[in-house]
Amino acid sequence: QVQLQESGPGLVKPSQTLSLTCTVSGGSISSADYYWSWIRQPAGKGLEWIGRIYTSGNTNYNPSLKSRVTISEDMSENQFFLRLSSVTAADTAVYYCARYRPGYWYLDLWGRGTLVTVSS
Amino acid sequence: QSVLTQPPSVSGAPGQRVTISCTGSSSNIGAGYDIHWYQQLPGTAPKLLIYGNSNRPSGVPDRFSGSESGTSASLAISGLQAEDEADYYCQSYDSSLSGVLFGGGTKLTVL
Repeated sequence: QVQLQESGPGLVKPSQTLSLTCTVSGGSISSADYYWSWIRQPAGKGLEWIGRIYTSGNTNYNPSLKSRVTISEDMSENQFFLRLSSVTAADTAVYYCARYRPGYWYLDLWGRGTLVTVSS
Repeated sequence: QSVLTQPPSVSGAPGQRVTISCTGSSSNIGAGYDIHWYQQLPGTAPKLLIYGNSNRPSGVPDRFSGSESGTSASLAISGLQAEDEADYYCQSYDSSLSGVLFGGGTKLTVL
């Protein structure tokens, strides 16, 4: 079955760029049936949608993060990526990648998440 | 304003029925976009519980049900079990965001 797995550094220094990879196994990210998203969750807090990538690299971002976020993909590796620049302690969170059903607008499959701490 | 409002917490005894509300606005639920619900057990990733207002993915017990009316939606859990203790999030599409919007989450405590 399809699985998603986040990976990347668990510690990032303030002002630097956070970079994460989501590897999709058991299915292709090039499928037109799905979009691919990043979501984050600070400790003890709720979920925040970061953005999505779909159909030939098109993207949408949460307006609150738009100036700092880039989501991209590598179809040959079946991976998609998150880059968040100029991070601060407020960006410390568990970051999830998830599969998104276009037209229905729900996230039907999630990775386990990866904790990223912003600290010097 | 792009907000989905949930109560911070609800509780119930085993066997009881509880409901969790989710109130939106004209740019999400009121615009006709569906509400979806996720269950997040402690220390785990969210899991899709209800999609399209009232549909259960395969494997979700029929104790869980969803409904929607106007700019609000509700998740009902009947026959409450200890294993239902978790955080529950509603989610919709928001036209102002052009993306996903989550409610603030509701912590369910089974007494």
